[in-house]
Amino acid sequence: GIQVEQSPPDLILQEGANSTLRCNFSDSVNNLQWFHQNPWGQLINLFYIPSGTKQNGRLSATTVATERYSLLYISSSQTTDSGVYFCAVDPNTDKLIFGTGTRLQVFP
Amino acid sequence: DSGVTQTPKHLITATGQRVTLRCSPRSGDLSVYWYQQSLDQGLQFLIHYYNGEERAKGNILERFSAQQFPDLHSELNLSSLELGDSALYFCASSVGGDTQYFGPGTRLTVL
Repeated sequence: GIQVEQSPPDLILQEGANSTLRCNFSDSVNNLQWFHQNPWGQLINLFYIPSGTKQNGRLSATTVATERYSLLYISSSQTTDSGVYFCAVDPNTDKLIFGTGTRLQVFP
Repeated sequence: DSGVTQTPKHLITATGQRVTLRCSPRSGDLSVYWYQQSLDQGLQFLIHYYNGEERAKGNILERFSAQQFPDLHSELNLSSLELGDSALYFCASSVGGDTQYFGPGTRLTVL
């Protein structure tokens, strides 16, 4: 089946810093989503981005489907950005396959 | 708030018991998905229903079953519970095959 790899596994930042999270996938997909799981366990939708670039405030994402990767950019990070970021893909199988996540800690 | 509701939020039960988790999708969404998040397996897809019919199945144990009712809410039934079934169970919904919106989850603890 499709493999989804996220890097880095852990990231520690000071408030105000910028970061880039990467998601590589091993096959073509018709759906790619980025999620933020907060410390209370909630999975929050960030982007639906099977291809192209999107921006939402301090967050933006780019997916290059032909090269099978996606990037999530976080600018001017805040302590509330802490948590785990997941990339999930659907290789046209009616289900999302999740990566193992990037754990982000932002300190004041 | 994603618009997907799940009940209960927490469930503590004993091995061998049976529980039912409930999910109400966002208004207008016909698809309901169930996922399990455990420490050792990560986030894994269990099953997908579309307008009452099963569409896709993941590595769902035979002790687990699900259904989607005419009003589109869904229930996940877990029976003969084992310690290893302790996990966070998420329900998600979507209009079709695009963005999946996740509920707050049900945290199941099996003692």
